[in-house]
Amino acid sequence: EAQVTQNPRYLITVTGKKLTVTCSQNMNHEYMSWYRQDPGLGLRQIYYSMNVEVTDKGDVPEGYKVSRKEKRNFPLILESPSPNQTSLYFCASSRGPGLWDTEAFFGQGTRLTVV
Amino acid sequence: KQEVTQIPAALSVPEGENLVLNCSFTDSAIYNLQWFRQDPGKGLTSLLLIQSSQREQTSGRLNASLDKSSGRSTLYIAASQPGDSATYLCAGVYGGATNKLIFGTGTLLAVQP
Repeated sequence: EAQVTQNPRYLITVTGKKLTVTCSQNMNHEYMSWYRQDPGLGLRQIYYSMNVEVTDKGDVPEGYKVSRKEKRNFPLILESPSPNQTSLYFCASSRGPGLWDTEAFFGQGTRLTVV
Repeated sequence: KQEVTQIPAALSVPEGENLVLNCSFTDSAIYNLQWFRQDPGKGLTSLLLIQSSQREQTSGRLNASLDKSSGRSTLYIAASQPGDSATYLCAGVYGGATNKLIFGTGTLLAVQP
């Protein structure tokens, strides 16, 4: 089954403790991206990747890192999480390399709480 | 700055009714528009993708249209069912920012049995 898989689905952590949210797709997609969803602010892009070793900032990249060492994986790294990073996170992928003519598929989301 | 607005923010209808959800955008330089549904705890599910060269797309009871000149897209749901209850989001890809989706504010739909 074609899918985007995020792990973990739920995470509660403490301020400053490094964490990684994994994202994997099995559709051989070139494009991958991370979004966060907050009440009243909607979904906003954090980072995106057009292919292996090609990443760029989205609209809200502060406090996040990403890497794209393999085509299928695009982990989101929070080196020193803070309470304002409490949010619902989504990973997305698309055939790519951009989004101008292809459908985007999303993972099931990761609910992160930083206390 | 592109802005995408969805009206109404919430909608409650009885089962069996046909309904229309609206999505308005300010930038007419749109490449495509995608409709999603979001269920609590289940992420975003893609429903329909409309390219800028198309005027509408259909999938089962769903029909989506795109009018670039007026900056509007509509999602028509025929014969609504309780299982259609969810939040519906539209998202567009626009010229100058083809590496991200710009999401609308969402419509929370409740279909009453």
